[in-house]
Amino acid sequence: GAGVSQSPSNKVTEKGKDVELRCDPISGHTALYWYRQSLGQGLEFLIYFQGNSAPDKSGLPSDRFSAERTGGSVSTLTIQRTQQEDSAVYLCASSLVVEVRTDTQYFGPGTRLTVL
Amino acid sequence: AQSVTQLGSHVSVSEGALVLLRCNYSSSVPPYLFWYVQYPNQGLQLLLKYTSAATLVKGINGFEAEFKKSETSFHLTKPSAHMSDAAEYFCAVDTGRRALTFGSGTRLQVQP
Repeated sequence: GAGVSQSPSNKVTEKGKDVELRCDPISGHTALYWYRQSLGQGLEFLIYFQGNSAPDKSGLPSDRFSAERTGGSVSTLTIQRTQQEDSAVYLCASSLVVEVRTDTQYFGPGTRLTVL
Repeated sequence: AQSVTQLGSHVSVSEGALVLLRCNYSSSVPPYLFWYVQYPNQGLQLLLKYTSAATLVKGINGFEAEFKKSETSFHLTKPSAHMSDAAEYFCAVDTGRRALTFGSGTRLQVQP
C-alpha cells in the first residue's frame, strides 16, 4: 500500500471489554512499532517488532496489553479488560529495518480509542 | 536515559513571522534527534533528523534545526511561517532501545 494503515479509525468501548487494533505496515517493511498518544502523557513507545518477533515488551503498560504480528506484515494490538485510562490514540509506524537512527519511521493515522 | 523536553505547549505566530520551537535533550551518549509534525487527523511525518553528520539540519517545508551541544538544544526554526504550517510538532530522541522517546509536543498556530 501507499502508507501505513490502521483500523478502526475510531473505537468506543465499555470498560471491561476487550479491543483489537490493527496495523497494516508499508509493504516490505520488516520493522513495526506501536506508540500511544494520550492527553497529558504525550507519545509513549509500547512495543516493536522485527519481523514477527517482539524482542522488547517492557514498554507495554500492563499485562492487559499484548501484540502480535503474523507473516511479517499485519500487527494486532489487543487490550483486555479495558480501563478508562486506556483511552488514547494508538499509533503504528513501520520502517524498512529496526534502526531508528538511520531508518525513517512512517506513521499511520492512528486509532482513537475511547473507553466509557 | 535519553529524553527530550519541549518548552511551550502552544506557540502562536503571525503569517510571515519567524517560527521557533524549542527542544532540549538529555542524553548520556551522542544523541540522534528528530523533529516530527502531525497535521490534524493525520499520522506523524518526519521533518528532519540529526545524526551527527552536520550540526545544521535542513528538512522539508523550509524547516531547519541546529544541534548545539553546549546548550543541549535542537530547536526547530522556519524563517517565514505559512498558514499550512499550523500543526503539532514533536521532538524525539533515539533511546538506544530500538525506539524513539518523544517530547510532549508543541502546537503551532499561525495567525493571518
